[in-house]
Amino acid sequence: ETGVTQTPRHLVMGMTNKKSLKCEQHLGHNAMYWYKQSAKKPLELMFVYNFKEQTENNSVPSRFSPECPNSSHLFLHLHTLQPEDSALYLCASSQEGQGRFGYTFGSGTRLTVV
Amino acid sequence: AQTVTQSQPEMSVQEAETVTLSCTYDTSENNYYLFWYKQPPSRQMILVIRQEAYKQQNATENRFSVNFQKAAKSFSLKISDSQLGDTAMYFCAFMKGSGAGSYQLTFGKGTKLSVIP
Repeated sequence: ETGVTQTPRHLVMGMTNKKSLKCEQHLGHNAMYWYKQSAKKPLELMFVYNFKEQTENNSVPSRFSPECPNSSHLFLHLHTLQPEDSALYLCASSQEGQGRFGYTFGSGTRLTVV
Repeated sequence: AQTVTQSQPEMSVQEAETVTLSCTYDTSENNYYLFWYKQPPSRQMILVIRQEAYKQQNATENRFSVNFQKAAKSFSLKISDSQLGDTAMYFCAFMKGSGAGSYQLTFGKGTKLSVIP
């Protein structure tokens, strides 16, 4: 049990599809993050939510749409993606103001866009 | 903006031996934190060790220790008595302690470590 659960584990989607990634944590954390991990590149921070409010959007294309309905759940809605969007998408959480102790990560969703 | 550089894409070590992974970073901040994360094939990023920049003493966690050289902006990870379960990608990460963008992790590209039986 990792504390942060991501579903699905794998996802293959066409460029015209709409899909969603889900992240769930029951650690009592109130900050949640989406990261993109591509081969040969550093992890890229995509979005940050603190107390359900988006506080960071790292110039992410609008085909990625985050949603945070409560402090325990985070979604990433995907539509009209490109093949270069294929990557591992990692969700993480921390206690707001306590991030200096590190984040708790999920196991990621491996996304393939065909 | 902060940058984190890991100059060793891949490394290998014999089981029970010691290995050191390198990390350098660039920042103008004085208040920050440094981390080493491990990502095994299961893909989950696991925190290995962390260091607070204002502490001169190097952090240690069992077989894992760091050599933190603040002036040189260097933060290397030493793994002693390497075990097969240490085989993984290792990421060095930086976090600002205050101001805009604080408490957000900036990662290096990672070092793939293989422990050989």
